[in-house]
Amino acid sequence: DAGVIQSPRHEVTEMGQEVTLRCKPISGHDYLFWYRQTMMRGLELLIYFNNNVPIDDSGMPEDRFSAKMPNASFSTLKIQPSEPRDSAVYFCASSAHPVQEAFFGQGTRLTVV
Amino acid sequence: AQSVTQLGSHVSVSEGALVLLRCNYSSSVPPYLFWYVQYPNQGLQLLLKYTTGATLVKGINGFEAEFKKSETSFHLTKPSAHMSDAAEYFCAVSDGGSSASKIIFGSGTRLSIRP
Repeated sequence: DAGVIQSPRHEVTEMGQEVTLRCKPISGHDYLFWYRQTMMRGLELLIYFNNNVPIDDSGMPEDRFSAKMPNASFSTLKIQPSEPRDSAVYFCASSAHPVQEAFFGQGTRLTVV
Repeated sequence: AQSVTQLGSHVSVSEGALVLLRCNYSSSVPPYLFWYVQYPNQGLQLLLKYTTGATLVKGINGFEAEFKKSETSFHLTKPSAHMSDAAEYFCAVSDGGSSASKIIFGSGTRLSIRP
């Protein structure tokens, strides 16, 4: 398996634009996590899925953020409209179970100008 | 609810010296504990984990951690630091007990190695 694949690696967008981040988890992993990493707030859990179903989205900062997992091999995190304070590195991770290792993608570095 | 506190956002040691990164956790149920490492511009990689059994856990690159329930701690150590150990280290906790379990990370500790 190629590991968790995120795209794009870098995204620069203007304030107010829609941004979509993509993630392909490791095949067979039932859990998928979206994290956001910033210098100020560290690594924050935004939302996670179990068997494609959102379990906890309490970390999603506001309604501008949404995440979907239409099937076991694909998830998206959408920000609409984007704001400069959304600039961060967004990580997707997958795991067979929360007691097992979580495998992280390389991250998407988002810059909103 | 679970939480993790990492003491010290930045630790600097000399090459060859002992590395000690501190982590305390809070969990209402027996925890599952992890240490991850992040190198620049990369995602996190698992160093080691504690689930059940032996409280001293050995990981990759010579790191180990000891689960101390009485102190609610899971500190990471390495006897002799190497320049390649410079990275950011994250402690994490999961209750692992149900399909609703999740992994919560600490704020991270940046480890610098002085020549």
